[in-house]
Order: sequence, then structure tokens, then C-alpha cells
Amino acid sequence: AQKITQTQPGMFVQEKEAVTLDCTYDTSDQSYGLFWYKQPSSGEMIFLIYQGSYDEQNATEGRYSLNFQKARKSANLVISASQLGDSAMYFCAMREGPFGNEKLTFGTGTRLTIIP
Amino acid sequence: AAGVIQSPRHLIKEKRETATLKCYPIPRHDTVYWYQQGPGQDPQFLISFYEKMQSDKGSIPDRFSAQQFSDYHSELNMSSLELGDSALYFCASSLKGARGRLYEQYFGPGTRLTVT
Repeated sequence: AQKITQTQPGMFVQEKEAVTLDCTYDTSDQSYGLFWYKQPSSGEMIFLIYQGSYDEQNATEGRYSLNFQKARKSANLVISASQLGDSAMYFCAMREGPFGNEKLTFGTGTRLTIIP
Repeated sequence: AAGVIQSPRHLIKEKRETATLKCYPIPRHDTVYWYQQGPGQDPQFLISFYEKMQSDKGSIPDRFSAQQFSDYHSELNMSSLELGDSALYFCASSLKGARGRLYEQYFGPGTRLTVT
């Protein structure tokens, strides 16, 4: 079974609108972490936001927020007031287990295109 | 702020040749991870090191080996290169065992390997 599922292969959003990128995960661990990365066409992998399984509040970083719904096992990324520079591939990733196992498992990504 | 450094950024090799990729983690980070991202795919975990010892291993071919040195930089050695090894190779670093924001993994710009 897929550990990380991103069901939106591609999205087109008008500039200045908010956008939600979906991510669901599957784990039996109590301790885990969820990450979102942005990969522009240039190829680098840019860290956006992190949510720990024990964090009580949703993570926020500037225009990025993570809508963490633990019971539903979802960790959607919300980008407010989208900009042309937000056009990129977005990956959701998970770290499972307690200290000592920090490797990341990635979803297949969502290609976001911001339309002027 | 200092980021993860990878060299070279681009590498072209022929089949059956060898390649060495280098990674310099963020200062004070003690854990290094290697990921392989094939064309149009999500990154796949290869191997990780903590305090110069291998800490986890993923789907890394036997033709590949890696190590972390006393200055925490890491090298990924790839021998008998095959066409299928053409990919973007990322190194990431983190501070192991820390809570909160320090769980974050920061990726380098990647080395794009092309095998012809």
C-alpha cells in the first residue's frame, strides 16, 4: 500500500487565489512527521513546512499552512494568495517512527501551475 | 544561512564507468541522507549516515557504496554505471534526535547524473 498518496497529478490555479494540495498518509506508528517540499523546474528540493504527529497546532510558515487532520490521516498544504513563482512540483513526504529512523517516503507529487 | 552543498552539479558518464558524488551537510548537522530521483518520479531513499556510521539503508544497488567522513561530508560511489542510473541524486542533512523544527531535512541542489 502507498504510504503517501497525492491524488492531484496537476492543478491550475488563478494568481492570488488560495490553493490546497491534498496528501493522505498511511502509518501504524504513533510518532511520525509530515513534510512538504517544493521542486521548481530547476530541480532543487525546497523545504516548506513540517508537522509532527504530536503537534497540537497546525504548522504555519508564512503563506504556507498545513491542515493536519490526524484521524483522517491527511496533511494538506494550503498556499494563500498564490504567486506565479509558486508554479512547481510539490511533494508530500513522511518520516515514520521515533528517533533513529528519519528517512523520508515521498508521494508522487502534484504539479501546480499558477495562471496570471 | 549555509545550505547543503553537492558536487558536481552535473555529471556525464558512460556505461560501466564509475562516479563519485560529494555532499557537504549544513554545519552542525550530524545526519546525511542520499536520495535518487529518476525522471518524472519521486525521490527514493538510498542510504543514511549518523555520526559517520550507516544508520539506514534503502533500495541502494550493490554497485553503490557510501560513507561519511570525520568532517561529516559524505560521498556516494557508483560503479559499473548503467543507463538506468541516470537520475537526480540528492543529499539531505538534519540534526538527529532533536525535536520540533530540527527534525527538518534540508536538501542540497542535487547532482544530475547522465549515463550514456
